Amino acid sequence: DTAVSQTPKYLVTQMGNDKSIKCEQNLGHDTMYWYKQDSKKFLKIMFSYNNKELIINETVPNRFSPKSPDKAHLNLHINSLELGDSAVYFCASSQEGKREETQYFGPGTRLLVL
Amino acid sequence: LAKTTQPISMDSYEGQEVNITCSHNNIATNDYITWYQQFPSQGPRFIIQGYKTKVTNEVASLFIPADRKSSTLSLPRVSLSDTAVYYCLVPGDSGYALNFGKGTSLLVTP
Repeated sequence: DTAVSQTPKYLVTQMGNDKSIKCEQNLGHDTMYWYKQDSKKFLKIMFSYNNKELIINETVPNRFSPKSPDKAHLNLHINSLELGDSAVYFCASSQEGKREETQYFGPGTRLLVL
Repeated sequence: LAKTTQPISMDSYEGQEVNITCSHNNIATNDYITWYQQFPSQGPRFIIQGYKTKVTNEVASLFIPADRKSSTLSLPRVSLSDTAVYYCLVPGDSGYALNFGKGTSLLVTP
């Protein structure tokens, strides 16, 4: 069974479009995260949701909006896509969101904006 | 966030022991040190975590000196499948945020 899953795996789209990436975890965790890994391989936190409540937003443009319908899902909606949004986006989850907890990552969504 | 510094890349032959050292001079008193592994085209995966002295599991060992300003991840007898990026993480002051940085890219060759 896949612990953290993301869809789609690949996403190619034009500038200016709006797209969504979905994430689901079946681990019963309370906290979920979105990370962005750019072409230089830096992996940076974007958002964290704890039991459906946003708890961090690391200076991400407001074109990015996380939506959590329940604690097992954290979707990422991106408006007006730009070339610089091309990256790999990883979803992750952890039990309670404590710093020392293990985070479990999904396989990533490779977004290419043309 | 507590800043970590680790080598950008390392090379090794199969069967050798690999030690990757990470410096974290500003580590907070209650911070744990965590290492993740990322294979190409996959998400990071937890390897090991420690607070002080030595921790060992089925994958690796983690050595942390008394001052905790550095840590060393030890991979015994690496194989080709250990080729990956290894990240050293120390949370620092920012509650839930984890900054993975660039990590150490390990290449294992025959």
